[in-house]
Amino acid sequence: GAVVSQHPSRVICKSGTSVKIECRSLDFQATTMFWYRQFPKQSLMLMATSNEGSKATYEQGVEKDKFLINHASLTLSTLTVTSAHPEDSSFYICSARDITGGPNEKLFFGSGTQLSVL
Amino acid sequence: SQQGEEDPQALSIQEGENATMNCSYKTSINNLQWYRQNSGRGLVHLILIRSNEREKHSGRLRVTLDTSKKSSSSLITASRAADTASYFCATDGEGWDKLTFGKGTLLTVNP
Repeated sequence: GAVVSQHPSRVICKSGTSVKIECRSLDFQATTMFWYRQFPKQSLMLMATSNEGSKATYEQGVEKDKFLINHASLTLSTLTVTSAHPEDSSFYICSARDITGGPNEKLFFGSGTQLSVL
Repeated sequence: SQQGEEDPQALSIQEGENATMNCSYKTSINNLQWYRQNSGRGLVHLILIRSNEREKHSGRLRVTLDTSKKSSSSLITASRAADTASYFCATDGEGWDKLTFGKGTLLTVNP
């Protein structure tokens, strides 16, 4: 089956630093990838939709200058948490849909990144 | 807005028993999906049921969909300790390319 690779799986950083998270589709192409945020024992909240070759679409309440998304190729999207603060600590998950898929295709998820900001 | 709501929020059963989890949603959908998440991991797709389908099976998983009630039910039969995980329903009511997840049910299967 299709694989989405997400790195790093865990990162601890100091407050004020920036952290980059990568999401790669390993055996399929994805024009669209999605970034979610999940707090402990909570659901996944969609942060933004990453579109290859164009600007990301952010959900209401998500700061685009805080969470920079770049989708430079059909297999790679990155999320950069800029000037991270302790309240940014969370589990971040990316997902992707095969470019050949339609409305009834499932999403493939990365394994997530646990960000801890000290 | 919260699209999906699962209940119960937590379910603890013994191995061999069946586990039933429910999901309700608010808007019209094209399909509803169920995903599983082990603690601290990404999500794994379990099953997709289209709006014109009423029931679907995958191994020990049986899912029903009632669009008139805007609800879905997921049944895991003969549960195993390895089934312990959080289970989420997800709907595409806000656009086919955007999934909205419910709050999830934490299933614990005790050996």
